[in-house]
This record gives sequence, C-alpha cells and structure tokens, in this order.
Amino acid sequence: KAGVTQTPRYLIKTRGQQVTLSCSPISGHRSVSWYQQTPGQGLQFLFEYFSETQRNKGNFPGRFSGRQFSNSRSEMNVSTLELGDSALYLCASRSPRNGYTFGSGTRLTVV
Amino acid sequence: SQQGEEDPQALSIQEGENATMNCSYKTSINNLQWYRQNSGRGLVHLILIRSNEREKHSGRLRVTLDTSKKSSSLLITASRAADTASYFCATDAIMNRDDKIIFGKGTRLHILP
Repeated sequence: KAGVTQTPRYLIKTRGQQVTLSCSPISGHRSVSWYQQTPGQGLQFLFEYFSETQRNKGNFPGRFSGRQFSNSRSEMNVSTLELGDSALYLCASRSPRNGYTFGSGTRLTVV
Repeated sequence: SQQGEEDPQALSIQEGENATMNCSYKTSINNLQWYRQNSGRGLVHLILIRSNEREKHSGRLRVTLDTSKKSSSLLITASRAADTASYFCATDAIMNRDDKIIFGKGTRLHILP
C-alpha cells in the first residue's frame, strides 16, 4: 500500500504569489487533514476534508483554502503569500481504526 | 492553542540509556498518540493508547496514560542513534466531533554516541 504522497517536496515562492500543494492519501482513506509546522508555532491544524467536504477548519486567514476531489486527493492553496507562510506543510490521512499517516511534507519558503 | 504539552523540550542522552518524555493535556480525551519526526520530514505514528488503557508496549517503546492527571509518558529503552528525532504527543479530545487531533510542540531527543 503506497503511503501519503505530497508534492512538491520543496518550493520557493515570492511574496504576493499564490501556491497550490497536493496530497494523495493512502488508498481507501477518505479523511485528509492539513497541518502547518513552523519552529515558533509547532504543528497547527489547517483543515480537514472528508468525502469532498470540509469538516473542520483551524484558525487561519481566508488566504488559506483547500479542496478534496472524488478520488480523495486534496489540494491546499495559499494566496497572496507572506514571509510568515514559510513552513513545512504536512498532510495526513486516517483510517477509521488507526492513527494518522503523514506524508513527508512540502517545505515552502517565501522570499 | 496547544492541547498537549511535552516535557522536556529537549533531551540529550548517551546511546544505550533510556529516554523518557512526558506529555500533559487539558481536556478529556478519546485517545492519545505519539509520533516521531526526523528532521524536517513527515511524522511517523508510533503508538496509540486509548483512554481506558493504562499502559501499552511496542518494541522498545512503552507508553503510559494517567487520565486522572491528564498525562502520558513515552519511554524508549536502550536508545540508539537512530532514535534521534522530535517526539510529539497528540490528543483526540472527547468533545471533538471530527477528526482533528491536536499536537504539542514536541520533545527534541538527541542520542549521543
């Protein structure tokens, strides 16, 4: 069974640009969650999708958005990038019985 | 806000020694999970302990849970260089009606050769 796949691994963008990150969960997992990890704030919950519906959202501005497709793949988008958006973005999928399985993350650097 | 809080923030021990990390949380939980993260990589799920369990083992890992004190500990026995990583506890709060789990800020463990 393939794990959670996140693309791209690394990304450098300029302030003001927008970015789209992709996450493919483990086959059969319908729940996908996104987290932002920074040295200062630790792991912060962004949002969670289940069957193409956003079930929960963390305390992030509207510049952060996401969606989930019918094959459970999810994307998150950040518009009007700020320097503070530089972080490791982690995606996780979950089976009904087990803990989360995380992808390797996308390291976003905003310059 | 963080639900789980790990202690210590950082820990350095000699290879072969045991490493103990603690986690405290605030609200009633369904379960508590421990994860490991190697530098800048994704998190690896180590172990899940349910609220009605007091202790759980997995290889060299031993996790305890004390719901009366709202705390958990992770013990790694006979540490190895490969155990160098950050360790996070995450709680699935009983009030959650969704799949959100909340992480602490982690303990950075460094195993000295």
